[in-house]
Amino acid sequence: EADIYQTPRYLVIGTGKKITLECSQTMGHDKMYWYQQDPGMELHLIHYSYGVNSTEKGDLSSESTVSRIRTEHFPLTLESARPSHTSQYLCASSARQGIGETQYFGPGTRLLVL
Amino acid sequence: KNQVEQSPQSLIILEGKNCTLQCNYTVSPFSNLRWYKQDTGRGPVSLTIMTFSENTKSNGRYTATLDADTKQSSLHITASQLSDSASYICVVSDRGSTLGRLYFGRGTQLTVWP
Repeated sequence: EADIYQTPRYLVIGTGKKITLECSQTMGHDKMYWYQQDPGMELHLIHYSYGVNSTEKGDLSSESTVSRIRTEHFPLTLESARPSHTSQYLCASSARQGIGETQYFGPGTRLLVL
Repeated sequence: KNQVEQSPQSLIILEGKNCTLQCNYTVSPFSNLRWYKQDTGRGPVSLTIMTFSENTKSNGRYTATLDADTKQSSLHITASQLSDSASYICVVSDRGSTLGRLYFGRGTQLTVWP
């Protein structure tokens, strides 16, 4: 079992609220990622980080922002939540293992914006 | 366009039966292919990883095959158990960037009935 944690697991919030989704890993991985996944759909990369003070936008445009002040912590923030942000958000971290990098995923945060 | 297509979209089998899930991809260049298992409400967990030179790899009752010439992979599950009920996701990595970009399929939703 991977040592990567996400809180909260479920969040129901009203439109316009600011929210922060937490992600922490204790494996010492430099690379971390945020994915968005809708039911029955593929994962879409929205943010990634190669290490402290490094953040990049992923393939899917997102109004969220991320920060990487500590290696183990990669929070995602939505300044003003909207119903279109309703989705599952998965955090992952990775380490190089021989032939390639394996990503270890957290349990996800299911967000519902009313 | 780099894509990963999985079939069937969903599958129902009886406990103890075998099944095979398919993955076709157009990702190029190709680095490796992974199969992940995602339980409902959880993050994906890696089952197998294969490179260009490998054509089969087993992990317990899970056996993955890869035909890099036809760009096809399969995941065979033997003697299915109720705990195998999950979404199985095929993920292909290219080697065109330092990130080793991942392309995700939409998954096959497997349900095992007693």
